[in-house]
Amino acid sequence: GAGVSQTPSNKVTEKGKYVELRCDPISGHTALYWYRQSLGQGPEFLIYFQGTGAADDSGLPNDRFFAVRPEGSVSTLKIQRTERGDSAVYLCASSLALAGPRGGTGELFFGEGSRLTVL
Amino acid sequence: QQPVQSPQAVILREGEDAVINCSSSKALYSVHWYRQKHGEAPVFLMILLKGGEQKGHDKISASFNEKKQQSSLYLTASQLSYSGTYFCGTEIIQGAQKLVFGQGTRLTINP
Repeated sequence: GAGVSQTPSNKVTEKGKYVELRCDPISGHTALYWYRQSLGQGPEFLIYFQGTGAADDSGLPNDRFFAVRPEGSVSTLKIQRTERGDSAVYLCASSLALAGPRGGTGELFFGEGSRLTVL
Repeated sequence: QQPVQSPQAVILREGEDAVINCSSSKALYSVHWYRQKHGEAPVFLMILLKGGEQKGHDKISASFNEKKQQSSLYLTASQLSYSGTYFCGTEIIQGAQKLVFGQGTRLTINP
């Protein structure tokens, strides 16, 4: 596809349930990021993949959150035992180029997000 | 560690200018600017790297003062299409690949 695709666009679940959110990045983009955005706030970093490996997962709030990218393309964010505080829009972004001579974050292409509501 | 943006909200008439500021308490490697319209994904505007550079993009430009750990986004002769929430994202460690976004500045342009 032309852009980053995220599914589902909306997910309503009950407290305690398990949820998977999927991200299909732009073809050829090796870097993939997950962010979480609460209403009226900026995106909050969760995890960054370079290829198949999670290069930085320091933003994952706790061990209920886990993300994978087994083939270096599609990524899945998994949330166990969901809580009401997990309600937010989960944004995925991919990137091809790095910025500057020392490899900083380049231009991020964001998906439309998956809106998660935990009742 | 989250950068602080000011103002939190701005209301302008079409054709007026605006400045949005982004300040960090940490030394910065880079500053990124994104615009997000309601219900849509954030869209990239520009990146400024350590070195005090200034960039322009149509009538939107930005500066980065690394000594003050601040960046400013300048919107000149604003258009209706400029409406949205502007976020700065900061990277404090080179190569860290981890942007920390500010809380956003909501810009409303009225005809």
